[in-house]
Amino acid sequence: ELQLVESGGGLVQPGGSLRLSCTASGFTLSSYWMSWVRQAPGKGLERVANMKEDGSEKYYVDSVKGRFTISRDNAKNSMYLEMNSLRAEDTAVYYCVSHGGAWGQGTLVTVSS
Amino acid sequence: DIVLTQTPLSSPVTPGQSASISCRSSQSLVHSDGNTYLNWLQQRPGQPPRLLIYEISKRFSGVPDRFSGSGAGTDFTLKISRVEAEDVGVYYCMQVTQLLTFGGGTKVEIK
Repeated sequence: ELQLVESGGGLVQPGGSLRLSCTASGFTLSSYWMSWVRQAPGKGLERVANMKEDGSEKYYVDSVKGRFTISRDNAKNSMYLEMNSLRAEDTAVYYCVSHGGAWGQGTLVTVSS
Repeated sequence: DIVLTQTPLSSPVTPGQSASISCRSSQSLVHSDGNTYLNWLQQRPGQPPRLLIYEISKRFSGVPDRFSGSGAGTDFTLKISRVEAEDVGVYYCMQVTQLLTFGGGTKVEIK
């Protein structure tokens, strides 16, 4: 069974940092483009960052450029999202998504003082 | 970025009847490899999204055949036949031909 499990969410103050992790099972994460997608409370889905299979290309939505970094560790079959200078508007459930079809359960990030 | 426009925003449906959702893209979704990477997702209340349909019309593992997708180029449709109570939720189209973008979502509810 294709499965993605996220971790690392939580409550953080504005200006703080968090590192989200996503671990795959049932498939090799490096076989697919991977993305982080977020969903603010009561809102739709928004692409945050994408990464090519080999990690050679990375793309970010304008609102997180310079603050967020997507990366992967193939040996651990895992992907990460390093989030710095967090803002209230970054509050959302963050999903790890494989372009092969798997979605994680999501991890909640709340930015608040 | 490619923009996906979904209609309608909301679709009240009588159980047993059908529902159709349209997704229009701002540009062709045909990839250079010849495939069209247009997917449909279902998000039930309180749940993460799950993949229903990929590459326009292919049902993902475990998806009932009541769900079907069609279309080409820039215009696509998701049809839910014989709607059941468990189909309530928000449906999104999603393209991964060029990075990744989502439609705004269509809420399916039971009359």
